[in-house]
Amino acid sequence: DIQMTQSPSSLSASVGDRVTITCRASQDISNYLAWFQHKPGKAPNCLIYGASSLQPGVPSKFSGSGSGTDFTLTVTSLQPEDFATYYCLQYISYPYTFGQGTKLEIK
Amino acid sequence: EVHLVESGGGLVQPGGSLRLSCAASGFTFSSYEMNWVRQAPGKGLEWLSYINSGGDTIYYADSVRGRFTISRDNAKSSLYLQMNSLRAEDTAVYYCARDRAMGGYWGQGTLVTVSS
Repeated sequence: DIQMTQSPSSLSASVGDRVTITCRASQDISNYLAWFQHKPGKAPNCLIYGASSLQPGVPSKFSGSGSGTDFTLTVTSLQPEDFATYYCLQYISYPYTFGQGTKLEIK
Repeated sequence: EVHLVESGGGLVQPGGSLRLSCAASGFTFSSYEMNWVRQAPGKGLEWLSYINSGGDTIYYADSVRGRFTISRDNAKSSLYLQMNSLRAEDTAVYYCARDRAMGGYWGQGTLVTVSS
């Protein structure tokens, strides 16, 4: 199975900050990587697919990059609604695997 | 408008069974792949199972293989997850999600609690 290692596990930032979350796959997954935002009591929301393609309707403050084993999610100009938990997901092979999550908290 | 609504969650004793349903509307259900994902309390997201549009290709996570069964009824636009031999660690919110990479639509989830 492919392991997804996400870092950091938690992150404290201020409104207006820019943050970066990383995800490393245990083997080459090409660009079969998605990023999700998850808020308590809500369904997860896909932000990025194909490692760098923005899901329709998602603001351009979210961006993804990477290929192979190393990936990043960057969020610029943080707003209160951006504070949530973020997950990466590999979908190149089954079983699909999520990273362990990064909880983004307000400083 | 696309809607996915899970149901069937509740309190069940260890070793018991439960069948979750996911009712789909607003799209041609028979054309889409579907998945089940869960989140245990205080834990991250865990992918559980996939089924293709025709129901003849299925995959499971190791944690549920042999205990859970995914199925679908395209005539009823419904997805199912039959859960047997439930354990305390199966306590979670269970989501259904559309599409192979789950990038589009998710339900709001149904809570399953396994406890005596």
